[in-house]
Amino acid sequence: EPEVTQTPSHQVTQMGQEVILRCVPISNHLYFYWYRQILGQKVEFLVSFYNNEISEKSEIFDDQFSVERPDGSNFTLKIRSTKLEDSAMYFCASSAGANVLTFGAGSRLTVL
Amino acid sequence: KQEVTQIPAALSVPEGENLVLNCSFTDSAIYNLQWFRQDPGKGLTSLLLIQSSQREQTSGRLNASLDKSSGRSTLYIAASQPGDSATYLCAVGPASGYSTLTFGKGTMLLVSP
Repeated sequence: EPEVTQTPSHQVTQMGQEVILRCVPISNHLYFYWYRQILGQKVEFLVSFYNNEISEKSEIFDDQFSVERPDGSNFTLKIRSTKLEDSAMYFCASSAGANVLTFGAGSRLTVL
Repeated sequence: KQEVTQIPAALSVPEGENLVLNCSFTDSAIYNLQWFRQDPGKGLTSLLLIQSSQREQTSGRLNASLDKSSGRSTLYIAASQPGDSATYLCAVGPASGYSTLTFGKGTMLLVSP
């Protein structure tokens, strides 16, 4: 069964450092998303991406965050200057059409 | 703003019991509702998807119902097994927008042998 692949599975970084989380969506999907889950809290929407541009973003997705689809297969989330409160599990998802998402296994980010 | 609430927060049952997990949402203008399973430290596995025009969906021992007008969904698990132990998340997709799913906090289920 097709799956969404995320790397790294776990990254530890120092506060203020830049982090890039990578995702390979399902190949024929056109919509891409990032969600995050702070330990013990709800899964929260960050951003959706379609046709090479951001289609929707939440108030969490501020200027410190950016997304990119650098080639035909990867979808990345960059955090420019990490803060302690950015520590969370970050989930990538993709969909062929509206609202039927397939999620990856997640990338755990720990900011020290 | 859509709010999703799941009750109970945690549930512990002996193997073989039938059980019901509840999900409620405040805005009935939804496109669909999904139930996910999350194992500790792992990703989200989609279990069932109910479109807003549907009343229920079934997959094996799982049955999910949707009452859009009252803002409720239930996930029924028949003949529970220890392998069902996980956190179950409910998420609703809005009638408009690009799949900004709103999640509940989940029900942590423990099925003991």
